[in-house]
Amino acid sequence: VQLVQSGAEVKKPGSSVKVSCKASGDIFSSYAFNWVRQAPGQGLEWMGGIIPMYGRPNYGQRFQGRVTINADESTGTAYMELSSLRSEDTAVYYCARSVELGPFDYWGQGTLITVSP
Amino acid sequence: EIVLTQSPGTLSLSPGESATFSCRASESVSSNYLAWYQQKRGQAPRLLIFGASSRATGIPDRFTGRGSGTDFTLTISRLEPEDFAVYHCQQYISSPYTFGQGTKLEIK
Repeated sequence: VQLVQSGAEVKKPGSSVKVSCKASGDIFSSYAFNWVRQAPGQGLEWMGGIIPMYGRPNYGQRFQGRVTINADESTGTAYMELSSLRSEDTAVYYCARSVELGPFDYWGQGTLITVSP
Repeated sequence: EIVLTQSPGTLSLSPGESATFSCRASESVSSNYLAWYQQKRGQAPRLLIFGASSRATGIPDRFTGRGSGTDFTLTISRLEPEDFAVYHCQQYISSPYTFGQGTKLEIK
């Protein structure tokens, strides 16, 4: 199993960013794809996730209204879009796979998003 | 949301010693849906322990998870140089699936 994420980006405050996570090596639709971020020098923070075969995402309340998570079963890719970016959103964003109500057993390599004027 | 508090913040030990990390939850973690991850600098986290005490694939038996309810521990015996990293606990039973703030294991 491999999760390969899109590359680093620099964004302006107020803009949006969309990060992709392409999965290979296993059945895509029945697993959950979670998004976790880590600000510089900080801990891990779960943002939300989706099980592609169910289609309905689950968002952390802190990100509700600003994050959109979806998945394309045809390409085995999960996406996370974060809008209204502010400097505090500067972080490494990870996708991580799990079964429903399971630990995160595979992780992408991380995508650094820098929000700067 | 379930708040996980890890202690200590930093642990300074020498290779060959044993390390014990604590993770305390603000409410009971049902069915012990508690995981531990290791994260080395510049890398993604790696799953070590799930279900509070089950080792993930390929994790040596030097890593032992224990606990239930609100109190959990991770013990690493006979520390090796590659064990020095940051360790995170996570509960995955109740959304949002929260993490502790992490404990850094450094070489003394």
